[in-house]
Amino acid sequence: EEQLVESGGDLVQPGGSLRLSCAASGFLFGPFWMHWVRQAPGKGLVWVAHINSDGTTIRYADSVKGRFTISRDNAKNTLYLQMNSLRAEDTAVYYCARDRGFPDAFNIWGQGTMVTVSS
Amino acid sequence: EIVLTQSPGTLALSPGERATVPCRASQSVSSSYLAWYQQKPAQTPTLLIYGASNRASGIPDRFSGSGSGTDFTLTISRLEPEDFAVYYCQHYDPSSRTWTFGQGTKVEV
Repeated sequence: EEQLVESGGDLVQPGGSLRLSCAASGFLFGPFWMHWVRQAPGKGLVWVAHINSDGTTIRYADSVKGRFTISRDNAKNTLYLQMNSLRAEDTAVYYCARDRGFPDAFNIWGQGTMVTVSS
Repeated sequence: EIVLTQSPGTLALSPGERATVPCRASQSVSSSYLAWYQQKPAQTPTLLIYGASNRASGIPDRFSGSGSGTDFTLTISRLEPEDFAVYYCQHYDPSSRTWTFGQGTKVEV
């Protein structure tokens, strides 16, 4: 079964840092483009960041540019999101997602990990 | 930056009825890069439609997508109880390699 499992969510103070991980299993991780998508409580889906298969192309939403860093370790089948200078508005469930083999849509999603930024 | 607008935010329908969920783009987009997702309460999003009209694997044929240019539609031909959920459209912009979601439409009883 193709699966993504996120971890690392926690309660953190404003200005703090957190690193999320997403472990992939059941498929060959290396060739796929990967993403982070977040969802604030009671709100909609927001795309956060993208990394291509070998990590040479990275994109961010404007709201996190300069604060978040996406990376991957294909040998460990793991995607990461380093989040610095966290703000209250970063509070959300963070999902990792895999494209379907083409960049147009995400067909595998993790269950999400909750990040709460509060003092 | 392309903005996707989903209005209305809520559709009140009954089981057995037809649901029409609209998605409007702020400028013309390629239908190849328009997708639809379903999210049930406390669950992960599920891909329904890609390329504006192609059903994803395992999706029942009561779900269909259509549209081009700036106006796209997700149609559920006859609502089943399990179809009451939030539906999101999504666009991929290959020139900037960024992705955008609409704000979602809740289909409720």
